[in-house]
Amino acid sequence: DIQMTQSPASLSASLGETVTIECRASEDIYNGLAWYQQKPGKSPQLLIYNANSLHTGVPSRFSGSGSGTQYSLKINSLQSEDVASYFCQQYYDYPWTFGGGTKLELK
Amino acid sequence: EVQLVETGGGLVQPGRSLKLSCVASGFTFSSYWMYWIRQAPGKGLEWVSSINTDGGSTYYPDSVKGRFTISRDNAENTVYLQMNSLRSEDTATYYCAKEAMMAYVMDAWGQGASVTVSS
Repeated sequence: DIQMTQSPASLSASLGETVTIECRASEDIYNGLAWYQQKPGKSPQLLIYNANSLHTGVPSRFSGSGSGTQYSLKINSLQSEDVASYFCQQYYDYPWTFGGGTKLELK
Repeated sequence: EVQLVETGGGLVQPGRSLKLSCVASGFTFSSYWMYWIRQAPGKGLEWVSSINTDGGSTYYPDSVKGRFTISRDNAENTVYLQMNSLRSEDTATYYCAKEAMMAYVMDAWGQGASVTVSS
């Protein structure tokens, strides 16, 4: 199985700041990576697919990058509505696996 | 508007069975793969099952293989998850989700159904 290691597990940032969340795969996943946002008490929502493609309706302050085994999610100009947990997921190969998540809070 | 509504959750004893249903609306159900993903309390996400458009191909992780069965009824716009031989570690919120058109990712999720396995 492909292991997804996500960091940091938690993050505190100020409004307007830029934050970056990392995800490392245990083997090359050839950009088969998605990022999801889960707000407290809600279902996950798709943000990014194919490592760097922004899902419809997602604000442009979110962006994804990376290749091979290393991927990242960047949030520019942090807004209060971005407080949430973020998860990466590889869909290159079954079984699909998720990172452990990053809980983003406001400082 | 895409809607996915899960039902069938509840409290069940270890070793017993439970069947979840997910009714879909707002899209052509028969054209999309469907998925089940779960989240244990306070934990991360775990993929549970996938089913293709006609129900002829299904996939599971080892943690549920042989105990869980995904199926679908395209006439009823419904996907199911039959869960047998339940264990305490199956306690979680179970989400059904819809395949995105552009990649094998999940672009719409239900509100979740809570399953608690306990004596």
